[in-house]
Amino acid sequence: TQLLEQSPQFLSIQEGENLTVYCNSSSVFSSLQWYRQEPGEGPVLLVTVVTGGEVKKLKRLTFQFGDARKDSSLHITAAQPGDTGLYLCAGTPTNDYKLSFGAGTTVTVRA
Amino acid sequence: GAGVSQSPSNKVTEKGKDVELRCDPISGHTALYWYRQRLGQGLEFLIYFQGNSAPDKSGLPSDRFSAERTGESVSTLTIQRTQQEDSAVYLCASSLTGTDGYTFGSGTRLTVV
Repeated sequence: TQLLEQSPQFLSIQEGENLTVYCNSSSVFSSLQWYRQEPGEGPVLLVTVVTGGEVKKLKRLTFQFGDARKDSSLHITAAQPGDTGLYLCAGTPTNDYKLSFGAGTTVTVRA
Repeated sequence: GAGVSQSPSNKVTEKGKDVELRCDPISGHTALYWYRQRLGQGLEFLIYFQGNSAPDKSGLPSDRFSAERTGESVSTLTIQRTQQEDSAVYLCASSLTGTDGYTFGSGTRLTVV
């Protein structure tokens, strides 16, 4: 059983559309991170959220950490082909130090 | 170095042979992690080092897998008597404290034939 459940598994949209990726768990996390991975490369950290209810923006990307620190979402506005990649959420439970990853969401933005 | 370096980038080996994968973390990063990623899947935790000690080896799939770290720097992941199910990308990441963000290397793609 995955500690972090991501949905959807796959997402294919047209350039200019918006998208949201969800990351859910029954565990409470001291922090949650989002990474993007491109083929043949390791994941690259996009953001870390640590406070329940926190919202962080990175250009067209908006990240939200749930009030209870059990879930997070990534919203991309006006997606571009360069946003294509595997998006991974990862979290450190409050009773652990190990970073656990979700299975990822493969996002494809068509030109 | 500027980033996390892994070598080799690709390794093809025959079933039953031993392989050694190397990770050079960012200088000064005390935390080092090994993950495995099978095709189209997320990251599977293998082992974590804090300094040179490994408090958590729970993710190692079998006793064919071992890892060490020396000088709070380079780490090697060794797989003995490789099997076809060991084929995957092995990723190394380092972190300054273990609670901040991780920096990943590009991985070693291992193919066992």
